[in-house]
Amino acid sequence: DAGITQSPRHKVTETGTPVTLRCHQTENHRYMYWYRQDPGHGLRLIHYSYGVKDTDKGEVSDGYSVSRSKTEDFLLTLESATSSQTSVYFCAITMEAAYGYTFGSGTRLTVV
Amino acid sequence: AQRVTQPEKLLSVFKGAPVELKCNYSYSGSPELFWYVQYSRQRLQLLLRHISRESIKGFTADLNKGETSFHLKKPFAQEEDSAMYYCALRAAGNKLTFGGGTRVLVKP
Repeated sequence: DAGITQSPRHKVTETGTPVTLRCHQTENHRYMYWYRQDPGHGLRLIHYSYGVKDTDKGEVSDGYSVSRSKTEDFLLTLESATSSQTSVYFCAITMEAAYGYTFGSGTRLTVV
Repeated sequence: AQRVTQPEKLLSVFKGAPVELKCNYSYSGSPELFWYVQYSRQRLQLLLRHISRESIKGFTADLNKGETSFHLKKPFAQEEDSAMYYCALRAAGNKLTFGGGTRVLVKP
């Protein structure tokens, strides 16, 4: 067990609906991240958190919001899902980025 | 702004042949470079970091600041090396920037 879980693992949703993805960690790491993985683009940072209630935008944050009300949970919300947000979403955690990240198993989201 | 480029989307090699995955970066400061691997249907895993100068699963990577590269090499590829590989750069702060990834296929 890598100490980080994502839910749900798969989701199909309709265009225009809100969607929330959850990342839960048991490592008490300070930093948490949401990336999306798309062919040809690799992983792109959506949002990240450096502490409870402390978040900041990444390079592809439009259409997404996040919340971190406690250390262990980092939520990603698609406010109104669009087909361009069909992707695999990965959460990652670290105590210090010099040691690298630990990744979750990913959430495959399809927007129809 | 920092950028990571992996020019090859797909590398196909035969078992026992050498394999080299290219990674080039742009960053004006002192970078920290990483390689991650993603086996089929699994999560991304850290393969190695340049600061630890380690060899994992037979893979090595050397940071070349003059050429701004961090290529990943293995002298004898194995079928279990078939996976997606990502190069990543830590510039400032605690964020990693990833390249587009290279899929490696090792044929028997």
